[in-house]
Amino acid sequence: GQQVMQIPQYQHVQEGEDFTTYCNSSTTLSNIQWYKQRPGGHPVFLIQLVKSGEVKKQKRLTFQFGEAKKNSSLHITATQTTDVGTYFCAAPIQGAQKLVFGQGTRLTINP
Amino acid sequence: GAVVSQHPSWVICKSGTSVKIECRSLDFQATTMFWYRQFPKQSLMLMATSNEGSKATYEQGVEKDKFLINHASLTLSTLTVTSAHPEDSSFYICSARDQGAPNQPQHFGDGTRLSIL
Repeated sequence: GQQVMQIPQYQHVQEGEDFTTYCNSSTTLSNIQWYKQRPGGHPVFLIQLVKSGEVKKQKRLTFQFGEAKKNSSLHITATQTTDVGTYFCAAPIQGAQKLVFGQGTRLTINP
Repeated sequence: GAVVSQHPSWVICKSGTSVKIECRSLDFQATTMFWYRQFPKQSLMLMATSNEGSKATYEQGVEKDKFLINHASLTLSTLTVTSAHPEDSSFYICSARDQGAPNQPQHFGDGTRLSIL
């Protein structure tokens, strides 16, 4: 079935360094969503991208949706300890409302 | 904003017990709700789609007799883990789609941590 592949699985950075996680699909996506889950918490919705080539920013976070709508990225500039957590991308399965989640990227930060 | 309330937040019970988890949309109506399961250090896996007034649709590999879903109203879906065993211990999360805003993202509950002893 349709899958969304997310890499890397883990990323450890020094505080202040940048961080990027990538999601790829073999099929065209109607939209892609990004979530953050803090350790011990539940996934929190960050953003939804719908348009081809769309770029959205939230403070230090930059989200991109590929021109072919098959890939997306989340980039964090100058990470802070509050950015620690697992970042998931998710996309609707073709023709259905249900979401399929990427494997997630766990970000840890050395202060 | 739209809120989904999930209850209880955590449950610890003995093996063989049945556990019911509620998912409520507080300020919108949801004809469709979704139930996910997340094992430690893994991603969210969709278990089933809950449809108001009709039978739930289960994902491949999910036992419908083990995980009973009821969606009797436009604001409430319940998941009952029947005769739970330690391997059912997991983080269960529901989400709901606002039928009045079909293009908007689903709203997630805070999750239920289930521990079976």
